[in-house]
Order: sequence, then C-alpha cells, then structure tokens
Amino acid sequence: GDSVTQMEGPVTLSEEACLTINCTYTATGYPSLFWYVQYPGEGLQLLLKATKADDKGSNKGFEATYRKETTSFHLEKGSVQVSDSAVYFCALSEYDMRFGAGTRLTVKP
Amino acid sequence: DTAVSQTPKYLVTQMGNDKSIKCEQNLGHDTMYWYKQDSKKFLKIMFSYNNKELIINETVPNRFSPKSPDKAHLNLHINSLELGDSAVYFCASSQRDSPYNEQFFGPGTRLTVL
Repeated sequence: GDSVTQMEGPVTLSEEACLTINCTYTATGYPSLFWYVQYPGEGLQLLLKATKADDKGSNKGFEATYRKETTSFHLEKGSVQVSDSAVYFCALSEYDMRFGAGTRLTVKP
Repeated sequence: DTAVSQTPKYLVTQMGNDKSIKCEQNLGHDTMYWYKQDSKKFLKIMFSYNNKELIINETVPNRFSPKSPDKAHLNLHINSLELGDSAVYFCASSQRDSPYNEQFFGPGTRLTVL
C-alpha cells in the first residue's frame, strides 16, 4: 500500500541556518504530495503541495519538488526563523491521505 | 470564519466514562475524518465518512463510534474510556473529487483519561 517515510527528528537549528527534511514515498499510481505544519497546540495546516512530477510547491520560504525518479518530496528552506519551530508532516494522497511520522524542528535564536 | 471546528478543546475524564467530541465543517466538503495523535505526534486515521457513509474504519476498538448526522458534522463517541485513549483527536475534511484531495484540519481535542 501507499506509504510515506520522513526523516526522524528532532532537528535543532540556529536561526538563519538551512533546512532540509527528507521525505520519500511509495505509491502504486501518481499521488499528490503535501507538507503540513503543526505549530504547538494547534492542528495541522497545509504548508505546500504538488500534484505531478517536477512540480515545485512553495510557501513562506519553504519549497519542495516532486521527484518521481527518486520518489521524493524533500522540504527545504534557505534561512529558518524561530517562528518556524513546529512539527512537519509529509503526506501523499492517491485514494486516501497517508502521513509520515512527523519531524519536530526547533530553531534557536 | 472557522473552517473545521471541534468541541471541546480539552476533555479530562475518569476511566470508564463515556464521552463525545463534536466536529463541524463549513467548507461544503463531502468527506470527513477522525485522526488520533499520540504523544510522539504520530497521526493515525481512525474513520472516514463520505456523504454520511463510512468508507474507512481502521482497526480501532468498537468502543469508538463515529456518527454523521449530515455532511457537515462528524461526531466521535467513546464508551468505557481507558487510559490508553489519552491523546489529541483531530477532525478533518476534504472534497474527495478535488484535484488535490487535500485535507483541512480542526484545532484538535486533547483527551486526558485519569
């Protein structure tokens, strides 16, 4: 069945550092791919999405590119801020939504 | 305007009690979900309803019973609460035939069973 594997956390970075959170997927067809973010005490919010190979999703300085050849959708940001501290979930949707285990990011001033 | 709302936000109760969590969405979506998030933030789908019909029922104890009075509401009733039921429960909704099928989440209900 469909599944998502993302890098284990926690990830701790200093402000203005570069971020990469790896995400790979397994699917039988052509899923849509998502990154969701969960800030402390809140529900999940959609951060960005991509529906087909080579699509790049972007929002709030975050980017991820749908790579069919490597079945990956890595999340990147060039310069993180303290306000980016949250848990990030990679997800795919083909017939149903499948979430990764989540990666906790802490950004220190 | 809140898109997906849940009540209550916090629920503290004793083992053995019965409790309900309510969810409402005003997005006009045809599919609603319940998820359980454990203390390690792992998100597990419990139920999915499409147009008031159950389409996913993952392996959850039958003490958990979802009820969908209409497309905009999906309530979760839990009988005989156990310590292991302590978690954050999220409701979500989506439009199943949309290009992305992305889900919109409620703020969560933190259930603590003592």
